[in-house]
Amino acid sequence: GAVVSQHPSRVICKSGTSVKIECRSLDFQATTMFWYRQFPKQSLMLMATSNEGSKATYEQGVEKDKFLINHASLTLSTLTVTSAHPEDSSFYICSARDLEGGVRETQYFGPGTRLLVL
Amino acid sequence: GQNIDQPTEMTATEGAIVQINCTYQTSGFNGLFWYQQHAGEAPTFLSYNVLDGLEEKGRFSSFLSRSKGYSYLLLKELQMKDSASYLCAVMDSNYQLIWGAGTKLIIKP
Repeated sequence: GAVVSQHPSRVICKSGTSVKIECRSLDFQATTMFWYRQFPKQSLMLMATSNEGSKATYEQGVEKDKFLINHASLTLSTLTVTSAHPEDSSFYICSARDLEGGVRETQYFGPGTRLLVL
Repeated sequence: GQNIDQPTEMTATEGAIVQINCTYQTSGFNGLFWYQQHAGEAPTFLSYNVLDGLEEKGRFSSFLSRSKGYSYLLLKELQMKDSASYLCAVMDSNYQLIWGAGTKLIIKP
């Protein structure tokens, strides 16, 4: 089945630094990728929808200048948390949408990136 | 390798009971999650099991057997709004989520 990878799996950084998280679809092309944030035992909160070759669409309340998204190719989207603060510490999960033969749409989730900002 | 298996699709009748199974093989275990996802929406958290047994929450219950690498989500008194995909995910020893492909549940009147 389709696989989505994320890198790094975990990162610890100092307050004020920027962190880049990569999301890759390994065996299919994803024109659309999604970035979520999850707090313990809570639902995934959609942050933004990333479309290849165009600007990301951010959900209400998500700062686009703080969470920079780049979907430069059909297999890679990146999320950069700029000037990270302790409150940005969370579990970031990406997913990629696969249009299987244009008939069946399936969303595949990555393993997540655990960010801890000190 | 790590693997999560769940049925691709299930059909049930309104008012009935349905059980969605999930089997897993992962490197380590730090809990199993069930999520519900309606088309075009973000997954919503349903349950978290880390100890063996049954956890009941209203119409939804989740069961875990760690020795068997097995869980199920039980939905009672099915309603049309329960039509959705149900995702099983296991957190491994590195606290990474391993996702099942999801089970599409179709409810018929």
